[in-house]
Amino acid sequence: DAGITQSPRHKVTETGTPVTLRCHQTENHRYMYWYRQDPGHGLRLIHYSYGVKDTDKGEVSDGYSVSRSKTEDFLLTLESATSSQTSVYFCAISGLGGGKATQYFGPGTRLTVL
Amino acid sequence: QQQVKQSPQSLIVQKGGISIINCAYENTAFDYFPWYQQFPGKGPALLIAIRPDVSEKKEGRFTISFNKSAKQFSLHIMDSQPGDSATYFCAAKEVNRDDKIIFGKGTRLHILP
Repeated sequence: DAGITQSPRHKVTETGTPVTLRCHQTENHRYMYWYRQDPGHGLRLIHYSYGVKDTDKGEVSDGYSVSRSKTEDFLLTLESATSSQTSVYFCAISGLGGGKATQYFGPGTRLTVL
Repeated sequence: QQQVKQSPQSLIVQKGGISIINCAYENTAFDYFPWYQQFPGKGPALLIAIRPDVSEKKEGRFTISFNKSAKQFSLHIMDSQPGDSATYFCAAKEVNRDDKIIFGKGTRLHILP
């Protein structure tokens, strides 16, 4: 998985609790992304980062916040988890250059909100 | 809204057959079209990609066919094998926007043994 780890890999939590997912990369790539994957919706971009402390919203950012204090770490926080946020979350990093924009994905975190 | 429309949603093919997944787009600023393959419990991984200046790209049993005028592209898997059973995503990127990829909704492919 191209030097990308996600933690935790599985989490079950209750509605209303805060949750933080961590993505760690060893590739020193500038761009990092958080996606969620749901049946029938494919991969939807939540937030992405183009550098330390530089982030931007994706198409489904409501209810999520992110932080990137170091090049290698990108955190996704659900301030108050809801059942609609039950999903599989993928972190990705981008090896830019040559106009290819290849994204490398981590192994995913399965989050269940009860 | 930039979109990449993918079909079918699911596909069942006999072993040895040809699997075909189609994608269509509207944004003429797209200049790079990758396909990703995802096995259960894993993250998606780049399979093959094409630029609009060529009509076909082949890598082993996997071929992308590209029709620029129709704004369509497709993935063909020749001699499909049970190990090809996975979810496939087409995607597209805008020129000068290496930071963002637009994904189709995915096709779940099952190859019967």
